Amino acid sequence: SQQGEEDPQALSIQEGENATMNCSYKTSINNLQWYRQNSGRGLVHLILIRSNEREKHSGRLRVTLDTSKKSSSLLITASRAADTASYFCATDRDTGRRALTFGSGTRLQVQP
Amino acid sequence: DTGVSQNPRHKITKRGQNVTFRCDPISEHNRLYWYRQTLGQGPEFLTYFQNEAQLEKSRLLSDRFSAERPKGSFSTLEIQRTEQGDSAMYLCASSLVNRGGVEKLFFGSGTQLSVL
Repeated sequence: SQQGEEDPQALSIQEGENATMNCSYKTSINNLQWYRQNSGRGLVHLILIRSNEREKHSGRLRVTLDTSKKSSSLLITASRAADTASYFCATDRDTGRRALTFGSGTRLQVQP
Repeated sequence: DTGVSQNPRHKITKRGQNVTFRCDPISEHNRLYWYRQTLGQGPEFLTYFQNEAQLEKSRLLSDRFSAERPKGSFSTLEIQRTEQGDSAMYLCASSLVNRGGVEKLFFGSGTQLSVL
C-alpha cells in the first residue's frame, strides 16, 4: 500500500495562479520530501521538511507539515507553464524500511 | 555529466527473454536504489545498496529479479524470463547519507522496458 497519497490526482490551472497539492501518509516519519517529474524523465528533488518543522520555503515553493494529521501540502505560487509536471511526496519512516516511499502523485497542468 | 546515468534508455524484448539494465550513480554517493514506475503511478521501491551491500529488497522483487553492485560503484538489475507485467520504467537513484541521516535522492532518467 502507498505510504503517501497525493490529492488531487490531477490539477489544471492558468499561468500565474497558485497550485496546491496535498499528501497524506500513514506512519511516523523522520522527514517528508517533494519531488517533481517531467514526462518520461527521472524525479528531481524539490524540498525537504523534517518532522519537527511546520513550514518551509524555497523560492516559489512553500511546504507545510502537520504530523498530528499526518499530512503535508505543497504550494507553488505564481505558476508558470514550465511547472507542468507530476509532483510526488516521499516519506522517510522513522522505523522499518529506510528507503523513501513515494505516493501516486499529482499531475499538474499549467495552461499558458 | 556528473548525474546518475542509466543504460539503455529504452529496451524492447520478447516475453521469456532476459534483460539487464545498468546504473552509474554519482561517484561519491554511497547508496544506490532501484525503483519501478508504471504509467500514472509513483515509483515503487525494489531494492537498495549501501556501498556493495544489498541491504533491503521489496517483496515486489521476485526471484526472477537480481541486482548487484560490485565494488560499490555501478549497479546492474537483471530480469530473467521477462513477463508482460514487467513492462515499466526502471529508475535508479543514488544518495550520500550524511551524519544527520537525511537523504535526498538523485534519479537517473530511467530505462523504459517493454515486454511484447
